Amino acid sequence: EVQLLESGGTLVQPGGSLRLSCTASGVTVGTYAFNWVRHAPGKGLEWISVIVGSAADTYYADSVKGRFTISRDISKNTVFLQMSSLRADDTAVYYCVARQGRPPPYWGQGSLVTVSP
Amino acid sequence: DIVMTQSPLSLPVTPGEPASISCRASQSLLHNDGHNYLDWYLQKPGKSPQLLIYMASNRASGVPDRFSGSGSGTDFTLKISRVEAEDVGVYYCIQVLQTPFSFGPGTKVDVK
Repeated sequence: EVQLLESGGTLVQPGGSLRLSCTASGVTVGTYAFNWVRHAPGKGLEWISVIVGSAADTYYADSVKGRFTISRDISKNTVFLQMSSLRADDTAVYYCVARQGRPPPYWGQGSLVTVSP
Repeated sequence: DIVMTQSPLSLPVTPGEPASISCRASQSLLHNDGHNYLDWYLQKPGKSPQLLIYMASNRASGVPDRFSGSGSGTDFTLKISRVEAEDVGVYYCIQVLQTPFSFGPGTKVDVK
């Protein structure tokens, strides 16, 4: 059974930093594309980043480019999202999503990040 | 970047009646492998998104057969053959052909 467990979400002040983790079981981090998707209160779903391939290629949405960094630790079977220069509009539930080509993706349960003074 | 649009943005439905949501991409989502890289999700209030359809027309495991997806290229449709009260929520399409992946704005479905 595949499980993705996000952790690290908390209350952080504007301008602060935070690292989210997505620990996988049942899939290997190095062989799946791992995405982060977020849902801000009252807004739609937003894809924000992916790490993919043996070379760990990374891609970002414009809204987080230069502020967020996605990475992975294959030995821990974990993907990270390092977030910096956080703003109020980064407040959201952050989901980890794993996919390998055409089969359906797997989602985690989400981790809440609140950016507030 | 590929821009996704959906219509309608709000859809009041009557239980037992059919419903349909349209999703349009600014570029073709047909990959040279012959598959359309388009998924549909339902997000119920306070819940995580639930995958309904993947690769445009494949129903996800556990999804009732009243849900179906169709379309190719730039135009896609999600159909509910007979709406049930539990189907309320916001429906999203997402293109996963090329980064940045992009969601549609969502269609809010509620009961009349």
